[in-house]
Amino acid sequence: IAGITQAPTSQILAAGRRMTLRCTQDMRHNAMYWYRQDLGLGLRLIHYSNTAGTTGKGEVPDGYSVSRANTDDFPLTLASAVPSQTSVYFCASSDSEGANGYTFGSGTRLTVV
Amino acid sequence: GQNIDQPTEMTATEGAIVQINCTYQTSGFNGLFWYQQHAGEAPTFLSYNVLDGLEEKGRFSSFLSRSKGYSYLLLKELQMKDSASYLCVAMDSNYQLIWGAGTKLIIKP
Repeated sequence: IAGITQAPTSQILAAGRRMTLRCTQDMRHNAMYWYRQDLGLGLRLIHYSNTAGTTGKGEVPDGYSVSRANTDDFPLTLASAVPSQTSVYFCASSDSEGANGYTFGSGTRLTVV
Repeated sequence: GQNIDQPTEMTATEGAIVQINCTYQTSGFNGLFWYQQHAGEAPTFLSYNVLDGLEEKGRFSSFLSRSKGYSYLLLKELQMKDSASYLCVAMDSNYQLIWGAGTKLIIKP
C-alpha cells in the first residue's frame, strides 16, 4: 500500500537519551518533512528535505537532526532528549510543489521523562 | 508575521450544514489547503485553493478570497464521522506551509 510508514508508533524515553524516529515513503515524492504537533498549536516544521541529499531547517530545528541519503528514507534524530520534546511527530511527503497536498505518516507519540 | 486564525471549536447537528472560517496573513501566497484530522490520527488532505472562488468536492466545498485573506470550508449533510479537527493551512511565497491550530468540529445527533 502506497504511503508513509513511521516507527515506532509510540515511545517513552528517558531524558538525555538519543532516539531516531524512522520514516519511509514509497511514493517517490521528492520532498519530505518532519512536524511536531502539540495541543493548541498548529503543526510546526522541524526539518525538511526538498530532494535526496539536501536538508533544511524549519521553524523549530533545535535539538533535532535529519539526513536524506535516498529518496525513500528521512530519519529524525534527537541527540539528547529533553521533556519539552514530548510531542506527536508526523513525517510527511509531497510532490515537488505540494499543490496536491501532503501525505502524512500515522505519527509517533513520544514522551520524554 | 505569518498567522492563521480559525475558531477553536464548533458544534453542529447531524444532517445540517456548517461553515468553518479561516483568515490568514502570509509573506506572499501560493495557495490555501484544508486538512481533516480525526483524534489520534494523521491529517488528511481535503482541498486546495489558489484562485478566488468556490471549489466543490462532494459534500465538502472550499472558498477563497485572496484580497480578504479569507477562506472557508463548507460541510453539507453532516455525518457523525465528520467529527474531527479541520486544519486551515496557507502556503507562503517560499512554498512553506503555515498551519492553523485547527477547529474541532463536534457533531451531535
